[in-house]
Amino acid sequence: EAGVAQSPRYKIIEKRQSVAFWCNPISGHATLYWYQQILGQGPKLLIQFQNNGVVDDSQLPKDRFSAERLKGVDSTLKIQPAKLEDSAVYLCASTLSANYGYTFGSGTRLTVV
Amino acid sequence: AQSVTQLGSHVSVSEGALVLLRCNYSSSVPPYLFWYVQYPNQGLQLLLKYTSAATLVKGINGFEAEFKKSETSFHLTKPSAHMSDAAEYFCAVSDPGGYQKVTFGIGTKLQVIP
Repeated sequence: EAGVAQSPRYKIIEKRQSVAFWCNPISGHATLYWYQQILGQGPKLLIQFQNNGVVDDSQLPKDRFSAERLKGVDSTLKIQPAKLEDSAVYLCASTLSANYGYTFGSGTRLTVV
Repeated sequence: AQSVTQLGSHVSVSEGALVLLRCNYSSSVPPYLFWYVQYPNQGLQLLLKYTSAATLVKGINGFEAEFKKSETSFHLTKPSAHMSDAAEYFCAVSDPGGYQKVTFGIGTKLQVIP
């Protein structure tokens, strides 16, 4: 079974620039998550999709972050404009259901300078 | 809302010694509980999970955890540490109902001393 694919692996941008991350979940996984992991902290949920609908985006900074999951498969997360405090690893995960646990991608490490 | 508390952000053990990583949860309903491991520059990998079946759960790499409702705990153990166990470990909790949002702890970094 192929895992969760994420790209790019690393990205360095200047503050106020925009950036986009891509995630392709495991085939058949209806639920997809984006997490932000700041150095030294646990992952924090940004947004959760069920198929192509958003079920939880309560912690997504909507003034600068946006995400979409067209056709209920792959997803993109965008930041515009980026701030220094957005420097983190952005993790994508997918699952069939909660009792299976998540499968995570390798993440995208974003550095904002 | 559910949450987990991991006691000890850093734990050091000698190679061959017992590994004990502590996790306490808070949940208004019987939860699902997970342990994940993260190696440097990698995503998180599921070690084991509790989903209301057996209270003693065995996972990969020789790890196990016991769900203790009376103590609201789900501590992770391994009888004998190996150098390759050095990583960061995250406890996580999920409400089995609804859309099953998973909340992670802050993590415990395990150092194994040769």
